[in-house]
Amino acid sequence: DQQVKQNSPSLSVQEGRISILNCDYTNSMFDYFLWYKKYPAEGPTFLISISSIKDKNEDGRFTVFLNKSAKHLSLHIVPSQPGDSAVYFCAASDTSGTYKYIFGTGTRLKVLA
Amino acid sequence: SQTIHQWPATLVQPVGSPLSLECTVEGTSNPNLYWYRQAAGRGLQLLFYSVGIGQISSEVPQNLSASRPQDRQFILSSKKLLLSDSGFYLCAWSTGPHSVYGYTFGSGTRLTVV
Repeated sequence: DQQVKQNSPSLSVQEGRISILNCDYTNSMFDYFLWYKKYPAEGPTFLISISSIKDKNEDGRFTVFLNKSAKHLSLHIVPSQPGDSAVYFCAASDTSGTYKYIFGTGTRLKVLA
Repeated sequence: SQTIHQWPATLVQPVGSPLSLECTVEGTSNPNLYWYRQAAGRGLQLLFYSVGIGQISSEVPQNLSASRPQDRQFILSSKKLLLSDSGFYLCAWSTGPHSVYGYTFGSGTRLTVV
């Protein structure tokens, strides 16, 4: 039972354009969400987070949007750069002290120069 | 500053052989520790987590086990590896019951069972 889903395994975007990565979740108890970026043969690195009390969080070129009613979040990268090419994972947690995040299957982003 | 060390970086093991992967964290005390696996074409699957010495919670029943002999040391083991154990294993830590920055991951171990 995949509680966090990233239905697009891959995405190609032209340099300078917007990249939109999507993530859906099924557990309505999830109230904190993260995006991670992962390069090959490396561990994932934290990118940006959002709490369920917000519907948007912005950090430089990265913006995460949360639609609680649809149980959907998205990561926007504007403008996209070749160095953004990586696998992006979304992760979700409920803050009731379960000590763990559930990760999606990842989306491989390729930014074309 | 906190750092996480994970080794080895790559490992090729025959089916039926034992496994021991080690992870240590520096610069913090009483971290929450996690073992994840990324199998080919799949996401990050939580295998084990620990909130203290000797406290291990298993998420997925399998032939793997974990131990935490010291506060900042987390070990993933198997007595007999299966082909399906191949994957990219990641150790991670967090500061408490719920960290707003999620986890800090190690650099991973690529395990190939042949």
